[in-house]
Parts: sequence; C-alpha cells; structure tokens
Amino acid sequence: GQNIDQPTEMTATEGAIVQINCTYQTSGFNGLFWYQQHAGEAPTFLSYNVLDGLEEKGRFSSFLSRSKGYSYLLLKELQMKDSASYLCAVRDRDYKLSFGAGTTVTVRA
Amino acid sequence: ETGVTQTPRHLVMGMTNKKSLKCEQHLGHNAMYWYKQSAKKPLELMFVYNFKEQTENNSVPSRFSPECPNSSHLFLHLHTLQPEDSALYLCASSPNLGGSETQYFGPGTRLLVL
Repeated sequence: GQNIDQPTEMTATEGAIVQINCTYQTSGFNGLFWYQQHAGEAPTFLSYNVLDGLEEKGRFSSFLSRSKGYSYLLLKELQMKDSASYLCAVRDRDYKLSFGAGTTVTVRA
Repeated sequence: ETGVTQTPRHLVMGMTNKKSLKCEQHLGHNAMYWYKQSAKKPLELMFVYNFKEQTENNSVPSRFSPECPNSSHLFLHLHTLQPEDSALYLCASSPNLGGSETQYFGPGTRLLVL
C-alpha cells in the first residue's frame, strides 16, 4: 500500500505565503496530484507533477523530488477564499490514486 | 461544476434498507471511480471501472455493489449497511487510467446510516 503524510492543519494571514509538505512511500510512482477541497464540496484539481522540479500556476506552485519522496504545494498572496483542505495524492504503477488525509488551511484577515 | 453529477446529495438509511447512489458524466471519459471519504481520514478508493469493466475492487465489503451500465453512468448499490459506513461517497471520472489528466470529482453523496 501507500503511505502519504501531510500536516493536519496550518494557519496563515491574508497576503502571506504557506507551504504544505507531503511525503510519500509508494509501490511504483506515476505522478503526484494536489487537490483543493472546500467544506461540503468536491475536490478540484490544482497541480500535477511527474518529473522533479517546480510547476507554477499563478499563485500556486508545486514541487516534486522523486528521490526523496517529497512534494510541496506553495500558496502565495493568500486570499480568504483559499481557506480549504488541500489533498496530496500519489498515483502508483497500477494507476491507482492514494490520498493523504488532507491539510486544512485557515486564512485569517 | 466539474461535469460529474451525483444523486442524491444526501441520504439517510436504516441498516436494513437498500438504496442506490448514481453518478453521471458527459465528459467523454472512459474511467470512473468510487471513493469513500470519512471525517479526518484520507479518501479511500473503492472501485475503478475502465471502459465499463471493473478493474479494481479495493477489498470493499460485499454490502457495496457497483454497476457500470455504460461509460457515462456509475451506480453504487447499498444493502444492509453498518453505521460505520456513514461517510461522503465521491464519484470521479478521468479520460483514461493514466496520463497527466486529472480525475474530475462529483459533489458527493453524504450518507448517514442509522
């Protein structure tokens, strides 16, 4: 099976930067995804990494190091609407997605 | 709005009831999935269908029975459930099993078993 760890909660101020770390152990690696999930809503796709390095999409960036089994999601210029749960998910060699328990980010004014 | 719809959005059932959850996508995707999301726990993959064929049953109890009549529709039939089955059940679809394409999730069915 897979083992995916991420912090349970993080709090930051509006306009600040927050970095959510994710470590994983997997049987084969076929990509890492980050999703955002607001309370009571469906998870929505934020980013995908399959090669080492940084992927930037507007205020959100995601980094991957396959040798370290490590990724992070960087949220810049935080807005109140960014308060949500952020899910790290790893796809294995059989194309199954395994999720972390999610990191609840609270943005304060 | 992801293009994946689920009905009902909320469901309360007794342990002796039989009910079904429905998922529908008109995105032209070939793969569909059922996940269970319990409070404070990771999403758990339950079933995977690829081109209407079940490719994954993640050790799910037989009281959960999936059905995929075509590539646009996915059902989860429920019978004699237990209170610990109360959770959010999410359906997802993707163009194919692999590639860089993400899975698109429906809004989920919030299930309460009494």
